[in-house]
Order: sequence, then C-alpha cells, then structure tokens
Amino acid sequence: GAVVSQHPSWVICKSGTSVKIECRSLDFQATTMFWYRQFPKQSLMLMATSNEGSKATYEQGVEKDKFLINHASLTLSTLTVTSAHPEDSSFYICSARREGAGGNTIYFGEGSWLTVV
Amino acid sequence: GNSVTQMEGPVTLSEEAFLTINCTYTATGYPSLFWYVQYPGEGLQLLLKATKADDKGSNKGFEATYRKETTSFHLEKGSVQVSDSAVYFCALSISQGGKLIFGQGTELSVKP
Repeated sequence: GAVVSQHPSWVICKSGTSVKIECRSLDFQATTMFWYRQFPKQSLMLMATSNEGSKATYEQGVEKDKFLINHASLTLSTLTVTSAHPEDSSFYICSARREGAGGNTIYFGEGSWLTVV
Repeated sequence: GNSVTQMEGPVTLSEEAFLTINCTYTATGYPSLFWYVQYPGEGLQLLLKATKADDKGSNKGFEATYRKETTSFHLEKGSVQVSDSAVYFCALSISQGGKLIFGQGTELSVKP
C-alpha cells in the first residue's frame, strides 16, 4: 500500500483563490520532503525541498511567495498555491525521504491535479 | 547542468514484444540513475536503479545498465505484458539527499 499520500487528487479552483495540497508520510517520519510539478508531456521539475521545522529551499525560478510550503510535522508537508492563475494548472507530486541504516529511500505520493479556471 | 532525456512516447507494443526505452543523461560528478514507473492513478514507484558505472539494475523482468561511456541508462524488457502499461520516468540523482532530476516520461501501452 501507499506509504506517501497526497490530498486532494484532483482540485479545481477559481482564479485568484488559494489552494492547499497535502503530502503525508503514512508509516515513517520524514524530515525532508520534495515538491515537483509536471506540465503535460514534460519532465517533473523540482520546485522545492521541504524541511521539517525550517524554511523550504526553493529551486531557482520558483516563486516562494506564490508556492508556500509548510512542513509543520514529521509526517506532513503542505503546498499552498496562492492567488492561483490558469498557468498554475499542473500536476503536483510530492516525495518523502525515509532515512535508514542502509541508506535513504524515496517514496512518491500519487500526485495532485490542479486546474485553475 | 544536469539533465535527463528520454525517448518520446507513446510507445505501443503487442504483448510479448521486446521493449527498449532510451534514456541519456548529462551530469556533473557521478550520478545515481533510476527508472520510475507510474501506473494509472498511482504515484511513482521505483522500478530499478544503478549507482555506478557498469552496474545493472533489474526488477520484474526490466533491466538497465549504467553506461558511463555513452551516458545512457536504457530500459529493456524481453517480453512485455499488458500490465506493464504505464508511464516510465528515467531520473538521476547527484547526492544521497533525495533530489531527483527526471526525464519527461515515456508512456507505454501494451495491447493484448
């Protein structure tokens, strides 16, 4: 079964409103999670690294004031798209890093489709 | 910079056909290489990986060999099944931190 869950899977919002996407690690604690977005027929692009208890690290070109990331607990990171516009419509997917003695394992969520109308 | 290029899809095959999905990369340093698969309605799952040159990753009949000389990590399977229909992503990672750089994905459709 899934070890990382995203919610919602699909969301439609009106232009100018904000929408929040959750990413949860279900059976492990994740101090680090990652947020990606994917445009149709294109690669998944890393947006930011979400660090529990501290500020997210954004990739170059990603607006931190538009894509708010909060990693308030060891099992939950949220991505809020503020003042959404149609060009923000995309597939957003998170991953969580599970740390272990044998190394790190990355688990992905199911992804969230955002449509801004 | 670091990047991954995959062959474009969709790829449509008949059951039991041979599959190759090409993947080449550009990277500084010594990346680890991955293939992820995304079945309809599900998240990405790690299919296989290789961490150094000449390593072969394999899983579920799929395999890929890390070729440093050609900077490639092509995915192959000798006999595909309808259940292999999915989107396949090639990816690289420079560090152990978990950041991945993905190719654009290749959709595979296997017909009975």
